[in-house]
Amino acid sequence: DARVTQTPRDKVTEMGQEVTMRCQPILGHNTVFWYRQTMKQGLELLAYFRNRAPLDDSGMPKDRFSAEMPDATLATLKIQPSEPRDSAVYFCASGLADRGQGAFFGQGTRLTVV
Amino acid sequence: QQQVKQSPQSLIVQKGGISIINCAYENTAFDYFPWYQQFPGKGPALLIAIRPDVSEKKEGRFTISFNKSAKQFSLHIMDSQPGDSATYFCAASIEIDTPLVFGKGTRLSVIA
Repeated sequence: DARVTQTPRDKVTEMGQEVTMRCQPILGHNTVFWYRQTMKQGLELLAYFRNRAPLDDSGMPKDRFSAEMPDATLATLKIQPSEPRDSAVYFCASGLADRGQGAFFGQGTRLTVV
Repeated sequence: QQQVKQSPQSLIVQKGGISIINCAYENTAFDYFPWYQQFPGKGPALLIAIRPDVSEKKEGRFTISFNKSAKQFSLHIMDSQPGDSATYFCAASIEIDTPLVFGKGTRLSVIA
């Protein structure tokens, strides 16, 4: 059963702490997306990778957020330092263009910064 | 600038009825239009998608209608069931594997 796996599912942290979210894309997929979901803004793109290369991170606050793909099976999103306004659900999605199937989302990481 | 506008925000439909959700887009470069379904605590799941070269696509009880000249597309759910109660998002992108711009979502409740 191919699926995008995100860890942790829930994270509560104090303001100022570093937060790292991890994503395992579907095996063989070559595009990875990070989205953030809030009640106010809805689903917003944070970062986009193809073949592990970052193509678009314009939606990400550069001073505190960073996204990487250390290898084809792992994508990470890091926030340092975290702030209460970062509280949201963070989704990773992966896709394979040649298959024409669109993006498949993980279950998300619910982040609460207190 | 909201590139994809979705309406209504919420919708209540009787079991067996037709649910209709509408979206309008601004960027004429968009070439891929998916709909996602999201249940509480879950990630969005791809439901059905369309490209602008066709005006309608049907998969089971779900149909996308597409009007390129009006820059509008809609989701129709026929014979709506309580299990369809979820939040539905329309989206658009330039290509199938490029980032999606999402509408704000429609919370659908199907009541018996």
